[in-house]
Amino acid sequence: QQQVKQSPQSLIVQKGGISIINCAYENTAFDYFPWYQQFPGKGPALLIAIRPDVSEKKEGRFTISFNKSAKQFSLHIMDSQPGDSATYFCAASIKSNYQLIWGAGTKLIIKP
Amino acid sequence: EAEVAQSPRYKITEKSQAVAFWCDPISGHATLYWYRQILGQGPELLVQFQDESVVDDSQLPKDRFSAERLKGVDSTLKIQPAELGDSAMYLCASTPQWSPHEQYFGPGTRLTVT
Repeated sequence: QQQVKQSPQSLIVQKGGISIINCAYENTAFDYFPWYQQFPGKGPALLIAIRPDVSEKKEGRFTISFNKSAKQFSLHIMDSQPGDSATYFCAASIKSNYQLIWGAGTKLIIKP
Repeated sequence: EAEVAQSPRYKITEKSQAVAFWCDPISGHATLYWYRQILGQGPELLVQFQDESVVDDSQLPKDRFSAERLKGVDSTLKIQPAELGDSAMYLCASTPQWSPHEQYFGPGTRLTVT
């Protein structure tokens, strides 16, 4: 019940296209859902996050869509650029300890 | 912009040797985490500190790993003795009290055990 399932494992998108990464969870106690971006040899960087009382959050080209009833959330990257090529992790946490439960990651490649 | 500092960035050590990693969180961040990340996988929590106290070290292999945060600021993670399976990226993260969900990561220490 503590798992966060992420798909796909890898994704290739043409420059200018939309990249979509999906995550699903079981624990209804989760109250914070961040996405992290990680470049090779670097630490993860917080990209965007959402709380379950909101269905969508947009920051620039990045949008989180959240479906509370389905217990799913997704990251959409609009107008994908080669600089977006990285590994993306979804995560979830609960207020009791703020620890992050991580998805397995998606390696995104944007083809020029 | 404030950042989490970690050193060294890279470490190569021989099996059975001792190794130590250092982390300096963003100023004012009371909560500090150590993670291990194996290539191609998500980070795995090793230990969580609140100020100088350990909140959770249930995933820390205590026979060989130790962590301390003596003055509630910077922290050290030690492995003794190192094993081949310890080769990984060791990440430190900290969170501000006003937004305890938001974890900010350092650049990590890449450990190779030979």
